[in-house]
Amino acid sequence: AQSVTQPDARVTVSEGASLQLRCKYSYSATPYLFWYVQYPRQGLQMLLKYYSGDPVVQGVNGFEAEFSKSDSSFHLRKASVHWSDSAVYFCAVSGNNNNRIFFGDGTQLVVKP
Amino acid sequence: GGIITQTPKFLIGQEGQKLTLKCQQNFNHDTMYWYRQDSGKGLRLIYYSITENDLQKGDLSEGYDASREKKSSFSLTVTSAQKNEMAVFLCASSIKQGGEQYFGPGTRLTVL
Repeated sequence: AQSVTQPDARVTVSEGASLQLRCKYSYSATPYLFWYVQYPRQGLQMLLKYYSGDPVVQGVNGFEAEFSKSDSSFHLRKASVHWSDSAVYFCAVSGNNNNRIFFGDGTQLVVKP
Repeated sequence: GGIITQTPKFLIGQEGQKLTLKCQQNFNHDTMYWYRQDSGKGLRLIYYSITENDLQKGDLSEGYDASREKKSSFSLTVTSAQKNEMAVFLCASSIKQGGEQYFGPGTRLTVL
């Protein structure tokens, strides 16, 4: 079965600290992986995507994620968070054999000043 | 670049009423999606369409109808609004199978 697990519903960090948001996926074929961000009262915006190649992918605003096939993971990282990074972050998986993207339940990130 | 427009932004209806939400995209994408997002929760797929006049049921299609009469537009109808389905409805589109999706700003549904 295809699924995404984001084990942390809420993560709180101080401004300037580093960040890791965890994502584990289950997918029967070669996965395409995504991270999306949702600011309050807005739709989702894609931060970054992984299709193939270098397992570390760079996204917007200093975010990066690392694909691990052995661990079935795609964790999101940022070296130094800003208060404006406070939002809900969704990990998602799809593949070239399916029209659907499967989303995790999201992790709410709270950045304390 | 392109944009996804959802109308209306806020929709208020009475219990039992039939309500229609509209979505337009100018990306020229083939695939379009409707999701429901309950407060503080993740996304649940209602319907998607891989081309004009195609409809595919998602995980939450009961109580909803959809229509894709043109490539650029995708409508969702709540057949009989219920108070427990107050949520934000998000429309999205993608250029190819499994590719990244682009989202609209959402329609917030309130049922009185």
